[in-house]
Amino acid sequence: GAGVSQSPSNKVTEKGKDVELRCDPISGHTALYWYRQSLGQGLEFLIYFQGNSAPDKSGLPSDRFSAERTGGSVSTLTIQRTQQEDSAVYLCASSYTQGVGTEAFFGQGTRLTVV
Amino acid sequence: AQRVTQPEKLLSVFKGAPVELKCNYSYSGSPELFWYVQYSRQRLQLLLRHISRESIKGFTADLNKGETSFHLKKPFAQEEDSAMYYCALMMNRDDKIIFGKGTRLHILP
Repeated sequence: GAGVSQSPSNKVTEKGKDVELRCDPISGHTALYWYRQSLGQGLEFLIYFQGNSAPDKSGLPSDRFSAERTGGSVSTLTIQRTQQEDSAVYLCASSYTQGVGTEAFFGQGTRLTVV
Repeated sequence: AQRVTQPEKLLSVFKGAPVELKCNYSYSGSPELFWYVQYSRQRLQLLLRHISRESIKGFTADLNKGETSFHLKKPFAQEEDSAMYYCALMMNRDDKIIFGKGTRLHILP
């Protein structure tokens, strides 16, 4: 089947507006991650979903950020009252946790620009 | 606390020279380690995993539990190796994968 799909590919929004970023993981993958990649910087962990467990939200930078995963599949990352420092590429990844050697598959990312 | 450290943000190496990208980890459990790579305009993808003891595109990495390291090596750099490289650790407690901040490898002609 298809790989991890993210939409939109690009999003330009005005400061103060809310945005929603979508991730469609690979079917059957139980784990889902959101990361942020700022210009010239590395990966910044945001949130981790694993099956029916409570999500690990330890990487969310502020309470303006939230994410949900419906039915163990599609995930939405919401950023409220966007700020210019939110501009980055937001990456989603999924994996099927089968123990040893589990690989994470990444989407192509959503490039968010806050003007 | 669990952590993956890549001390170099940028590494420039001449073509044909050896490459070593450093990675150190901190984890109390039994670690599973990986290297991921992101070429220009491509998705982040798995390069290799320590459990497979494989060589991919001439790269190898050996897990050294004593030094808590998983350095990525290649004897002769090629221009197409220019990319962003991320070291990653999977924790067996909850299968969460954590990444280092990455090292940008620039191969000079």
